[in-house]
Amino acid sequence: DAGVIQSPRHEVTEMGQEVTLRCKPISGHDYLFWYRQTMMRGLELLIYFNNNVPIDDSGMPEDRFSAKMPNASFSTLKIQPSEPRDSAVYFCASSFSTGLTEAFFGQGTRLTVV
Amino acid sequence: RKEVEQDPGPFNVPEGATVAFNCTYSNSASQSFFWYRQDCRKEPKLLMSVYSSGNEDGRFTAQLNRASQYISLLIRDSKLSDSATYLCVAHFGNEKLTFGTGTRLTIIP
Repeated sequence: DAGVIQSPRHEVTEMGQEVTLRCKPISGHDYLFWYRQTMMRGLELLIYFNNNVPIDDSGMPEDRFSAKMPNASFSTLKIQPSEPRDSAVYFCASSFSTGLTEAFFGQGTRLTVV
Repeated sequence: RKEVEQDPGPFNVPEGATVAFNCTYSNSASQSFFWYRQDCRKEPKLLMSVYSSGNEDGRFTAQLNRASQYISLLIRDSKLSDSATYLCVAHFGNEKLTFGTGTRLTIIP
C-alpha cells in the first residue's frame, strides 16, 4: 500500500484565493482526520470522518474552512478565502479504528499564503 | 489548560546517554496513550503504544501513571538517529487522538 497520499506537497497562494488540499486514505481505513501543524500551536485536529461522514468539525477555525469526503478513497479540505494566518502544514491521517490503533499520516501539504 | 502538555525542550543530549521526558494529560477518563515521533519536515509516525503495565521496545521504555496523569518515555543508549520531535498522544474516549505540541530532542555526537 502506498500509504496516505496528499496533494499538493507545497502550495503558495495569494491572500484571498481559494485553496484545495486533497487526501487519499489507506484503503480499508474507515477514519480520516485533517490536522494542521504550526510552530506555535502544534498539531491541531480540524475535522474527522468516519465512513465518509463528518463526526466532529469543532476544530475547524472558521467558516472559511470546509471539508468533504465524497467517498471512501478521497477527501478535500478547502479554504476560501485564504489568509496569511492559514499558513501551516496540513496533514491528513487515516486509521482503521481510531483511539486503539495507529493513525497513519500523509506527508503533508505545506501551505504558504502571501 | 491544554488536554495534553509536554515540555517543548529542546533537550540536547550526548550520544550514549539516557534521556527521559514526561507528558501530562488533563482528562482522567482517557483510555489509551501513544508516543509518536516526527522527524524534521516529515509526518508523525507511531513510535510505541503505552500500556498500563509499562512496555519496552528495544532501547525505548514507556510508562503510564494514571494516579498522577502522566506518561513517560525513556530512551537508553541514545543514538544520533534518535534526534526528532516526540509527540505525546492521548485518546479521551471519543474517537479522536489529541496530540501534545511535542518535545524536541537533539543527540549530540
